[in-house]
Amino acid sequence: NAGVTQTPKFRILKIGQSMTLQCAQDMNHNYMYWYRQDPGMGLKLIYYSVGAGITDKGEVPNGYNVSRSTTEDFPLRLELAAPSQTSVYFCASSPQGSPYEQYFGPGTRLTVT
Amino acid sequence: GDSVTQMEGPVTLSEEAFLTINCTYTATGYPSLFWYVQYPGEGLQLLLKATKADDKGSNKGFEATYRKETTSFHLEKGSVQVSDSAVYFCALSGNQFYFGTGTSLTVIP
Repeated sequence: NAGVTQTPKFRILKIGQSMTLQCAQDMNHNYMYWYRQDPGMGLKLIYYSVGAGITDKGEVPNGYNVSRSTTEDFPLRLELAAPSQTSVYFCASSPQGSPYEQYFGPGTRLTVT
Repeated sequence: GDSVTQMEGPVTLSEEAFLTINCTYTATGYPSLFWYVQYPGEGLQLLLKATKADDKGSNKGFEATYRKETTSFHLEKGSVQVSDSAVYFCALSGNQFYFGTGTSLTVIP
């Protein structure tokens, strides 16, 4: 099992560019999440989804968009990249909510200059 | 709302020392509690979990007990190794998932 996969691993963007961070899971999990982790900080939830076709905002959604057309995929779209979006982005999935744990991908390190 | 408060780091210990990382939580209802570990350059991995009061989670020599009376889930290990150097996150799963800010542990030989 691949688990949760993320692409790309690294990316450098110029201010104002757009990109999509890809996330896929092969565990048939209903719930998927996007977090950002800034240096020396914890995780902040950007968006989450409880099933295909359903998404909702987390703590820091501004500047991002998501879609969930299939159970497996949960891409995160950055429009008009800004230096404040320089971070490491983690995708995670879980079978349901509590009491299940989340399974994390390896992360995407994004730099906006 | 629900939240997790975690001991601030960084923590530096000598090999074979005893480790405690404190974690307390605020929650309505009966959340599940977790400890995750993040090694340098990697994503978070589940270390252990407990789903109800008085449960003890354990893995790789680490332990944590779900204490409802003190709303705590402190992480302990009797003898740390250099390979335990990582960032540790306490987390709570209630109506949503909440992570603590992480505690960086460095173990020196």
